Parts: sequence; C-alpha cells; structure tokens
Amino acid sequence: NAGVTQTPKFQVLKTGQSMTLQCAQDMNHEYMSWYRQDPGMGLRLIHYSVGAGITDQGEVPNGYNVSRSTTEDFPLRLLSAAPSQTSVYFCASSYSGLSYEQFFGPGTRLTVL
Amino acid sequence: DAKTTQPTSMDCAEGRAANLPCNHSTISGNEYVYWYRQIHSQGPQYIIHGLKNNETNEMASLIITEDRKSSTLILPHATLRDTAVYYCIVRGTGNTPLVFGKGTRLSVIA
Repeated sequence: NAGVTQTPKFQVLKTGQSMTLQCAQDMNHEYMSWYRQDPGMGLRLIHYSVGAGITDQGEVPNGYNVSRSTTEDFPLRLLSAAPSQTSVYFCASSYSGLSYEQFFGPGTRLTVL
Repeated sequence: DAKTTQPTSMDCAEGRAANLPCNHSTISGNEYVYWYRQIHSQGPQYIIHGLKNNETNEMASLIITEDRKSSTLILPHATLRDTAVYYCIVRGTGNTPLVFGKGTRLSVIA
C-alpha cells in the first residue's frame, strides 16, 4: 500500500492564481480530511468527507473547495490564492467510526506571493 | 476549540521514561482520548487511543484516570527519535474530526 499520497510536495503561487492540491489513498478508507498548519501552530481542519459524495466544512473552510467523487481521491481547490493561505497542507484518511486511527500524508508546502 | 490542556514543552533524558500529561476535564462518556505525534515537519503519526482502560502498544502506554478527566502518555525508553510535538485529542462521537491543539514539544536529550 502507498498509504496517503499528496501532490505536489512544494508549490509557489502568485496572488489570485488557482490550483488543486491532490490527495489519494489506497486503503479503501471512507473518511478523508484536509488540514493546514501554519508555522509554530497546530493543525486546523479545512474540510472533511465521510464518504464519496459527502463533504463538510471544518474550522477554516473559507477560500477552499472540495469534492469527493471517488473513495480514493479528495482534492482541495484554492479558487483565488491569497498570501494568508501560505501554509503546509496535510491530507488524512481513516475508516469510518470513532475508534480508528487516521493516516496522514507527507504534506504539501504552499507559498503564495 | 481543543478540549485538552497540555504543557507547552518538556525535556526528557535519553533512555528514561517520558511522561506526557493531558487534562480533558470536560470529556464525555463516549469520547475517546487519542495521542498523535508530529516529528519535525512530517505528517502526524498515530500513537495510541483509549476510552477508559489503560492501553499499551509497541510504541507507548496510555494511562487514563478513573474519572477520565486526565491521562498520561508514557514512552518507556525515550530515544532521540522521539523528539516531536505530541498532541492529546479528545474525539467526539461518530465521524467527528480530530481537532488539534498546540500539543507538547518533547525534547529528548542525550
């Protein structure tokens, strides 16, 4: 199993550009989520999904869109990048239910100029 | 808001046990206590979780007080590779997400 994969590893954008961060998992997990982590801070939840076709907002959803058309993929879209979105983005997945561990990807380091 | 309180930082000598405390005084009866750690800038890594009984796995032990208002993560023989930020998380029912606080920065010193 590759686990949770994220692409790209690094990205530099200009203000106003759009892009999609990719996240995929090969463990047949129903639950997937996106977090951002700013320097010296803990992780903050952006969006999450409990299964294909179902998404919900987390703590900091503004400026981000998600969709879940397949179990394996959960892309995160930045519609119009802003410097405040400079951060490290982590994707995670797990089986549904309370007592399952979440597996995290290696992260995407995004800089918006 | 995170439902837990942890010290900002701790030091531990290499080879000694690292005991990381966590307060979760408002925990509900069906909420689990999870521990994750984040080494340098990697993605967080699951360590252990429990409901009310003490738990042990190959990485650590989790001791939960009888009233469930606090817990302690124990790394029995800390190594330099255990230097990381450790997050104590109380997770709600169903598919509620993990909510991370700022965690405890553990430094293992040679």
